[in-house]
Amino acid sequence: SQTIHQWPATLVQPVGSPLSLECTVEGTSNPNLYWYRQAAGRGLQLLFYSVGIGQISSEVPQNLSASRPQDRQFILSSKKLLLSDSGFYLCAWSVGGKASTQHFGDGTRLSIL
Amino acid sequence: ELKVEQNPLFLSMQEGKNYTIYCNYSTTSDRLYWYRQDPGKSLESLFVLLSNGAVKQEGRLMASLDTKARLSTLHITAAVHDLSATYFCAVDRSTGNQFYFGTGTSLTVIP
Repeated sequence: SQTIHQWPATLVQPVGSPLSLECTVEGTSNPNLYWYRQAAGRGLQLLFYSVGIGQISSEVPQNLSASRPQDRQFILSSKKLLLSDSGFYLCAWSVGGKASTQHFGDGTRLSIL
Repeated sequence: ELKVEQNPLFLSMQEGKNYTIYCNYSTTSDRLYWYRQDPGKSLESLFVLLSNGAVKQEGRLMASLDTKARLSTLHITAAVHDLSATYFCAVDRSTGNQFYFGTGTSLTVIP
């Protein structure tokens, strides 16, 4: 069966520091991968999605970036965090090439001080 | 820009009552998904609706899709406390399987 792992679960970072969040999927090949952000009490905002290695699409301009160095690995990064980057970050995967539900990781709660 | 709106945003209902959550979207799509989120937790998939007229039921929840009206509903029958959570609908825009989420409906079921 497929599983998705996301870490760390919680992170507290100072303004201006770098960020790296990692997500890996097991049990499937060539998945679509996604990064979302959820502000407190709000809906989900799609940040990045990827349909294959090295293929990243960005939905909103920001100081975040994403990379997919391996088929089942998706990384969210920042060189300098802003206060507004605080939130709940969720990684998700779906079956590539067809309409299917997205399956979410447990999320990373990021607080910027 | 694709917009997905849910109403109500907040819903407080008594156990045993029925209610419907609505999800409207602004662009043509025949793929809609419902999720549940418990406080502080991730999202759990509830229903996948992939065609006009699709209806899915699981326990006290039933979801339907009307693609012509660009409307999906999540009907709750005889609510119980365990259904308290935030419910999101999401519309799939394209072949990239990109989801656009609604604003969410926070449901509280009162004993």
